[in-house]
Amino acid sequence: ETGVTQSPTHLIKTRGQQVTLRCSSQSGHNTVSWYQQALGQGPQFIFQYYREEENGRGNFPPRFSGLQFPNYSSELNVNALELDDSALYLCASSSQLGRGLGNTIYFGEGSWLTVV
Amino acid sequence: DQQVKQNSPSLSVQEGRISILNCDYTNSMFDYFLWYKKYPAEGPTFLISISSIKDKNEDGRFTVFLNKSAKHLSLHIVPSQPGDSAVYFCAAVGGSQGNLIFGKGTKLSVKP
Repeated sequence: ETGVTQSPTHLIKTRGQQVTLRCSSQSGHNTVSWYQQALGQGPQFIFQYYREEENGRGNFPPRFSGLQFPNYSSELNVNALELDDSALYLCASSSQLGRGLGNTIYFGEGSWLTVV
Repeated sequence: DQQVKQNSPSLSVQEGRISILNCDYTNSMFDYFLWYKKYPAEGPTFLISISSIKDKNEDGRFTVFLNKSAKHLSLHIVPSQPGDSAVYFCAAVGGSQGNLIFGKGTKLSVKP
């Protein structure tokens, strides 16, 4: 068990709706990253938060947004949902910013989002 | 355009034999690589990593080899066990924020 918890584990939304996914990072970890894993693909980097500020973003449109709170937990918000947003959304927390070692990056079990 | 490629979607191996999972990358600036293992309904779990200053890193049954000139790395599992059956992802550390760039994964099945 990694100590990274995500909620909800599964949800179904209708195209055009908005969704909020939540992540509690491992104790002591101040950096949170979000990844999208579509079926048959590897996880793709959405963005990273460090000390409540966005600190890097992958190739995702602005309707993907996030927040990090003072306790380092995080939210991923997706507006105007599209069918292609159906995927597993993974939260990863780490204890150091930048080019840290892989074994300090812990993933949660993910939130399965289905858009119909 | 994929920067990290795992060209074999699946691999089947007999218990006790060697499993070899391959990964290629295109960006010669990548200097740190990781392998993750993922069971269904779980998040990826870190297995082993390698820095570009090395060509081999070993941890128990798992060994990762890096060939920088060929931009190729491989994960060897010896001996393979049925519990190793999972999807294995190769990832490179990219960007100043240290985000991971993943391949599409290889599903390993180890048959008893």
